[in-house]
Amino acid sequence: TQLLEQSPQFLSIQEGENLTVYCNSSSVFSSLQWYRQEPGEGPVLLVTVVTGGEVKKLKRLTFQFGDARKDSSLHITAAQPGDTGLYLCAGAVGNYQLIWGAGTKLIIKP
Amino acid sequence: GAVVSQHPSWVICKSGTSVKIECRSLDFQATTMFWYRQFPKQSLMLMATSNEGSKATYEQGVEKDKFLINHASLTLSTLTVTSAHPEDSSFYICSTPERSTYEQYFGPGTRLTVT
Repeated sequence: TQLLEQSPQFLSIQEGENLTVYCNSSSVFSSLQWYRQEPGEGPVLLVTVVTGGEVKKLKRLTFQFGDARKDSSLHITAAQPGDTGLYLCAGAVGNYQLIWGAGTKLIIKP
Repeated sequence: GAVVSQHPSWVICKSGTSVKIECRSLDFQATTMFWYRQFPKQSLMLMATSNEGSKATYEQGVEKDKFLINHASLTLSTLTVTSAHPEDSSFYICSTPERSTYEQYFGPGTRLTVT
């Protein structure tokens, strides 16, 4: 069974602080996606990383794919209250399915 | 990206009744739809995969006779929760994949409460 371990599961920090969310697996993924979900809504895709070692930036968010394509991280710089939400990582496997991490509930306090 | 709508956005029903949730792709043909279930503050749990014109594939532990999935057209997939019970109360979300990148486009979800 393929697993994608995401940590931390919950994080509450002050506005302006930095944070990192990790997703780790023993499996190799063809790509890894990060989604953000707000309460009562469906997840929205933030980024897809495909190449081992790839780094993508989305404003204050930096996404990295491990060299072996087994792990990924999301780093947020100077977090803002608008960053609050549930962050989900998902690794692509066959048949268009994704293996989902457990999610990180992020709260940024003003 | 693709636009996916879901209806209803929330529903309350009595125990023993059936509820149908519709998922529509608005701007492209969706040959594959995924149905997920999500409990509060938890990640997504894949229930089943529906492919247009064929029977759905259910994940282990998901009762296919209880969660009926129909994907009769390229723009509509439906999930019917039959004989609903309070433990079926959850947030149900559909998604469709972009075929070249595996990126998924989600509907807004349906909050089901069974009383």
